[in-house]
Amino acid sequence: DIQMTQSPSSLSASVGDRVTITCRASQGISNYLAWYQQKPGKVPKLLIYAASTLQSGVPSRFSGSGSGTDFTLTISSLQPEDVATYYCQKYNSAPYSFGQGTKLEIK
Amino acid sequence: QVQLVESGGGVVQPGGSLRLSCAASGFTFSSYGMHWVRQAPGKGLEWVAFIRYDGSNKYYADSVKGRFTISRDNSKNTLYLQMNSLRAEDTAVYYCAKEKSSGWYESAFDIWGQGTMVTVSS
Repeated sequence: DIQMTQSPSSLSASVGDRVTITCRASQGISNYLAWYQQKPGKVPKLLIYAASTLQSGVPSRFSGSGSGTDFTLTISSLQPEDVATYYCQKYNSAPYSFGQGTKLEIK
Repeated sequence: QVQLVESGGGVVQPGGSLRLSCAASGFTFSSYGMHWVRQAPGKGLEWVAFIRYDGSNKYYADSVKGRFTISRDNSKNTLYLQMNSLRAEDTAVYYCAKEKSSGWYESAFDIWGQGTMVTVSS
């Protein structure tokens, strides 16, 4: 099975900072990669699909890139409401594995 | 509006069974693949099972294969997860999730239910 590995596991940054989270697949998955945001005590929310397509209603400060095995989620200017855990997920075929998550905090 | 509402969670003894339901509304349920995803307390997301829009394909995580069964009733707009031989490590919030795109090919999960808690404990 393909493993999804995120880095870092946790991250602390200041408001206004540019933040990058990385996700690596153990084998190529083309662009079948999604990013989710889960705020504390809340349900996961789809941010990006097809590696780089922004889900409707998601702020444009979020962006995704990559293809094959290496992917990134970037927040161009961190806002206080972005405090959350972020997960990548492959969906090209079963099992539809998630990364272990990256917990993002405000410094 | 598009909505998924899970039910059926609770406390069950190890070795016991439980059936979760997920009632869908606001979209053509019979056109979309559906998933179950779980999250143990304080842990990350774990994909559990998938069923294609017409029920023709079902896939499971290795951790639940042979114990859990996913099914759907398109006439009732409802997704199910039958969980047998439950273990302590199955304790989690269980979410149902809808695929973003209709039809055969898998896609990201755009709508999630609020989750239902399953606790396996003696």
